[in-house]
Amino acid sequence: DTGVSQNPRHKITKRGQNVTFRCDPISEHNRLYWYRQTLGQGPEFLTYFQNEAQLEKSRLLSDRFSAERPKGSFSTLEIQRTEQGDSAMYLCASSPTGLAGSTDTQYFGPGTRLTVL
Amino acid sequence: GDSVTQMEGPVTLSEEAFLTINCTYTATGYPSLFWYVQYPGEGLQLLLKATKADDKGSNKGFEATYRKETTSFHLEKGSVQVSDSAVYFCALSDGGGGFKTIFGAGTRLFVKA
Repeated sequence: DTGVSQNPRHKITKRGQNVTFRCDPISEHNRLYWYRQTLGQGPEFLTYFQNEAQLEKSRLLSDRFSAERPKGSFSTLEIQRTEQGDSAMYLCASSPTGLAGSTDTQYFGPGTRLTVL
Repeated sequence: GDSVTQMEGPVTLSEEAFLTINCTYTATGYPSLFWYVQYPGEGLQLLLKATKADDKGSNKGFEATYRKETTSFHLEKGSVQVSDSAVYFCALSDGGGGFKTIFGAGTRLFVKA
């Protein structure tokens, strides 16, 4: 299977702990996105990378959140000092780099479900 | 900012019924529009897309037409099946901002045999 993969699929942690999630995009895709989805809502954009460069961050991404994509391949999303409000599904997506003005279809991974107790 | 509004669910239909899920959007530029589907226990999958006004996206019997004059992208299917039961998300792509996608809240569809 050459789709987007995410690990772990589920994470349960206690409030105040740090957690890290990993995303492996489709290998030839230059862009990588992180979204957060809470129950009954659509995914909300968090941040995206073009290769290793983080080009945009949502205001939703507080200073407790950090994302990296050090070699332009896999990415990690770390949440420090987790809060109960961080409980959500964290989705990763990737897309190829399109021509200027074109639209890139995003391919989503299965997500990591975080539960903060 | 850009946003997507879609009809609230759940929508419950009998098999072979006609489906419409309404979606309207607000955007400052010229976004591309998408419908994604999330089957129980699975990740988001692209169902169809349209990149400019009057384009019709279609897939698996579903279709939606990009209507710029009404800022709408309603999803339709002529005859639903039990296997279509899922959550459907309307979305737009911010073409000027790295193509991040803005999603609606989702509409859950139940199809009864």
